[in-house]
Amino acid sequence: GQSLEQPSEVTAVEGAIVQINCTYQTSGFYGLSWYQQHDGGAPTFLSYNGLDGLEETGRFSSFLSRSDSYGYLLLQELQMKDSASYFCAVRDRAETTDSWGKLQFGAGTQVVVTP
Amino acid sequence: ETGVTQTPRHLVMGMTNKKSLKCEQHLGHNAMYWYKQSAKKPLELMFVYNFKEQTENNSVPSRFSPECPNSSHLFLHLHTLQPEDSALYLCASSQDGAGGAANYGYTFGSGTRLTVV
Repeated sequence: GQSLEQPSEVTAVEGAIVQINCTYQTSGFYGLSWYQQHDGGAPTFLSYNGLDGLEETGRFSSFLSRSDSYGYLLLQELQMKDSASYFCAVRDRAETTDSWGKLQFGAGTQVVVTP
Repeated sequence: ETGVTQTPRHLVMGMTNKKSLKCEQHLGHNAMYWYKQSAKKPLELMFVYNFKEQTENNSVPSRFSPECPNSSHLFLHLHTLQPEDSALYLCASSQDGAGGAANYGYTFGSGTRLTVV
């Protein structure tokens, strides 16, 4: 079967750095994505890693190691507004004009930012 | 209207009721999805539609019935639900093919909070 593992909760103070790890076991792998969801809101797309290495988008960075079936999301210079749930998701099939991979999600990590 | 819109935002229904959830996307995407979100659990994929054709049904009970009349609209028809079906139901869309969804991800609606009593 398929599974994604990530910590259930992380607490940190404003200005700190938080790393959310995600390990996956899937039948197919075509990229790791991260989504943010505030309470009562829609999940929103943060980043995508198709190849090994680090992708940086402002204060957020995402890393992938396909050989280790592992990735992480790094949140830097934490702000109160970063308090939310963060989900890793794996696409299980290559995306081409003829094939349609779907996303499998982890259970999410609740990030709590304190003053 | 922009993005993905879901109605209603909240729904309370009895186990003998019939109701429908509606999703509309204004992004010109070619794929739409229904996910179920329960507390402390991964988002569960329920149905996938590509170009209006259902391509995935993840062993969802028949009391949930999807309908996709065109590439912009998606419905989830509900009947004789059980209390354990209470959850947040999320609709999403993506532009699949040639790196679209990979590069830009899925766009989710804010969901319908369903309570079955």
